[in-house]
Amino acid sequence: EIVMTQSPASVSVSPGESATLSCRASQGVSNFVAWYQQRPGQPPRFLIYGASTRATGVPDRFSGSGSGTEFTLTISSLQSEDFAVYYCQQYNNGLTFGGGTKVEI
Amino acid sequence: QLVQSGPEVKKPGASVKVSCKASGSKFGSSSVQWVRQARGQRPEWIGWIVLGSGYTNYAEKVQGRVTITRDRSTGTAYMELTSLRSEDTAVYFCAAGTTMVMQVWGGGTTVIVSS
Repeated sequence: EIVMTQSPASVSVSPGESATLSCRASQGVSNFVAWYQQRPGQPPRFLIYGASTRATGVPDRFSGSGSGTEFTLTISSLQSEDFAVYYCQQYNNGLTFGGGTKVEI
Repeated sequence: QLVQSGPEVKKPGASVKVSCKASGSKFGSSSVQWVRQARGQRPEWIGWIVLGSGYTNYAEKVQGRVTITRDRSTGTAYMELTSLRSEDTAVYFCAAGTTMVMQVWGGGTTVIVSS
């Protein structure tokens, strides 16, 4: 099973600042990585697929990059609704999620 | 929009069947995935079904205990889990999308397994 490891576990930022979230795969997954946002008590929300392509309706302050084993989600100019937990997911071999990064004020 | 069935409380060894109905009876996607999430834990993939063919694929961890089906006439997908254990306690989500990514999620169904 491919293990996805996210870092940091949590990050504190102020509104208007940027946040960079990392995700590492235990083996190469090409660019078959998606990112999801989950607010408390809500289901996850689909943000990015193919490591860097935003899903329909996702603001352009969300950007993804990476390939192979290292991936990054950058959120620029953070807004209040962006404070949530973010999960990466690989779909190169099976489907596995990372442990999440909590973005908090 | 995906509407899931209500919360369930089951005893160990019992079975649970969770439904996921698409608004307008159309999923608008090629597949439906099922994912569960225990409190404070990462999401865990359970399996998927291709809506057209009915072909399914399940996670090794629940293989043999899970069955995912769909009723195309009503736009409803189902996930049945048997031989329930305490570690099956979680919120169960359905999600429409492909066999790779989950684009539109249901609101979740809480399943508690307790004696």
